[in-house]
Amino acid sequence: ETGVTQTPRHLVMGMTNKKSLKCEQHLGHNAMYWYKQSAKKPLELMFVYSLEERVENNSVPSRFSPECPNSSHLFLHLHTLQPEDSALYLCASSQDRASTDTQYFGPGTRLTVL
Amino acid sequence: AQSVTQLDSQVPVFEEAPVELRCNYSSSVSVYLFWYVQYPNQGLQLLLKYLSGSTLVKGINGFEAEFNKSQTSFHLRKPSVHISDTAEYFCAVLLNTGFQKLVFGTGTRLLVSP
Repeated sequence: ETGVTQTPRHLVMGMTNKKSLKCEQHLGHNAMYWYKQSAKKPLELMFVYSLEERVENNSVPSRFSPECPNSSHLFLHLHTLQPEDSALYLCASSQDRASTDTQYFGPGTRLTVL
Repeated sequence: AQSVTQLDSQVPVFEEAPVELRCNYSSSVSVYLFWYVQYPNQGLQLLLKYLSGSTLVKGINGFEAEFNKSQTSFHLRKPSVHISDTAEYFCAVLLNTGFQKLVFGTGTRLLVSP
């Protein structure tokens, strides 16, 4: 498989559930990103990892917990979410965190919080 | 602070007609600009990018954009659109704050009808 993959593609969860989103990149990149895409709003950068080290936490609530076990995998652990957290969550990767290289995006996980 | 404005939330156009999607940016430093496209139920895909050099940038699928420093614009154009160009288009500016941070506009939905 090539590019950036995300699973699951769709997720429905209650406010008391715990779930995880998974992202995998097959491009040999060193930097990975989580974005939130809500209707009528610009994409919001949530987290940035470079060589498995978190370099940015963009004031994201603690109910979102990222994990980067290696440079190919990125997780977003979710717990006690709110309905306003319903959105498309996109993962991306780039060669290097400090370069002007292209960010490659996965297809996203459509999250619905009931 | 750098930001991106896409004034048109939706642009309807007939097939084979030309189209221009507008993007204006604000920045006080070197500017790196991107256009991404998002087809339904998919992630973002890079159309083209301006880093330096020629102000006319050609991208995939017949799209091109022109960097205009005096007007702080980076409008996207295509001389003849297809039904398959129906998608959401995002303009973005790159911040280099020790890591690569893309700041996106709110997007423009291009609707191509027969």
